[in-house]
Amino acid sequence: SQTIHQWPATLVQPVGSPLSLECTVEGTSNPNLYWYRQAAGRGLQLLFYSVGIGQISSEVPQNLSASRPQDRQFILSSKKLLLSDSGFYLCAWSNLGGANTEAFFGQGTRLTVV
Amino acid sequence: TQLLEQSPQFLSIQEGENLTVYCNSSSVFSSLQWYRQEPGEGPVLLVTVVTGGEVKKLKRLTFQFGDARKDSSLHITAAQPGDTGLYLCAGFFAGSARQLTFGSGTQLTVLP
Repeated sequence: SQTIHQWPATLVQPVGSPLSLECTVEGTSNPNLYWYRQAAGRGLQLLFYSVGIGQISSEVPQNLSASRPQDRQFILSSKKLLLSDSGFYLCAWSNLGGANTEAFFGQGTRLTVV
Repeated sequence: TQLLEQSPQFLSIQEGENLTVYCNSSSVFSSLQWYRQEPGEGPVLLVTVVTGGEVKKLKRLTFQFGDARKDSSLHITAAQPGDTGLYLCAGFFAGSARQLTFGSGTQLTVLP
């Protein structure tokens, strides 16, 4: 069966520090991978998605970047965090798209920039 | 940017009442999904609808996909406190088969 791992679960970082959140998927190959950010009690804002190694699409201009060094690894990074980067970050994977596509989510990372 | 409008944003009702949540867009979906999310966790899929006019039932939850595949609704009958949570619609827009876009969410609270 497929599983998705996201870490860390919580993170407190000072303004100006770097960020690296990692997400890995097991049990599938060539998944679509996604990074979302969620404000409290609100919907998910799509930040990045990837359809293959080294292929990253950015949805929102921001202080963040994403990389996909391996087929089932997706990394969210920042060189210098801003206060506004605080939030709940979710990684997700889906199969190749189409009528019955379903997204599976990691447990999320609660990032607080202080 | 394609948008999904979800309403209402907040809903607080008494146990036993019925409710409906709406999800609308000006663009056509190739498929639309409804998720439920608990605090501090990732969303979990409830249902996927694909065909215009499609109706799916999951116990007390009824999901409907609009004929034009631009809108959807979630109806809960006889709500229970266990139904409390954040309900999210999400869709793959036609022509963007790999980009999953989420609505703004409906925070439902069912009071005992």
